[in-house]
Amino acid sequence: KQEVTQIPAALSVPEGENLVLNCSFTDSAIYNLQWFRQDPGKGLTSLLLIQSSQREQTSGRLNASLDKSSGRSTLYIAASQPGDSATYLCAVNMNRDDKIIFGKGTRLHILP
Amino acid sequence: DVKVTQSSRYLVKRTGEKVFLECVQDMDHENMFWYRQDPGLGLRLIYFSYDVKMKEKGDIPEGYSVSREKKERFSLILESASTNQTSMYLCASKRLIPNDEQYFGPGTRLTVT
Repeated sequence: KQEVTQIPAALSVPEGENLVLNCSFTDSAIYNLQWFRQDPGKGLTSLLLIQSSQREQTSGRLNASLDKSSGRSTLYIAASQPGDSATYLCAVNMNRDDKIIFGKGTRLHILP
Repeated sequence: DVKVTQSSRYLVKRTGEKVFLECVQDMDHENMFWYRQDPGLGLRLIYFSYDVKMKEKGDIPEGYSVSREKKERFSLILESASTNQTSMYLCASKRLIPNDEQYFGPGTRLTVT
């Protein structure tokens, strides 16, 4: 059974720092991996989607990498800003049933 | 832009009431999903649907049912609401092809008293 883990559960960093959020999964038979952002009390906003054949995707200050064989993905945020404060979730799309398995998220707080 | 809307942002219902949560997407997506999100448990899949009138159980379908009479609309039904169904409910949609993004609605915070 696929399990998706995000460590740490919470992270506080000063504004301006570069940071890395981690995601690991136990079953490497995935179609893709997606990173989401969730603000308190809101829905999820898609940030980046990496297909299983890709190694990384970039969007602005965000860069997501995927190492399928080792079951790991990272989300790199450059020059962090207070507006980046949110919970970040990763999710993997399995080969079967098109079901998506979510991690529990990392709650990020950027200190002004 | 894909838009997924949910009928209510906040809902308060009494134990035993029948509750309908509605989700509508405007991008002709085949797949639609209902999740609930609880602190410490993350997002858990309740039901999903590949097409009109089709439905599949997710990981926690007990106490819920769904309806998909039109492609753009996916309804979650709590037949007899209970306090343990107090949660944030999130609807999502995506195209049938696996390598495509899942788009979420804003969520409905349901409180059952």
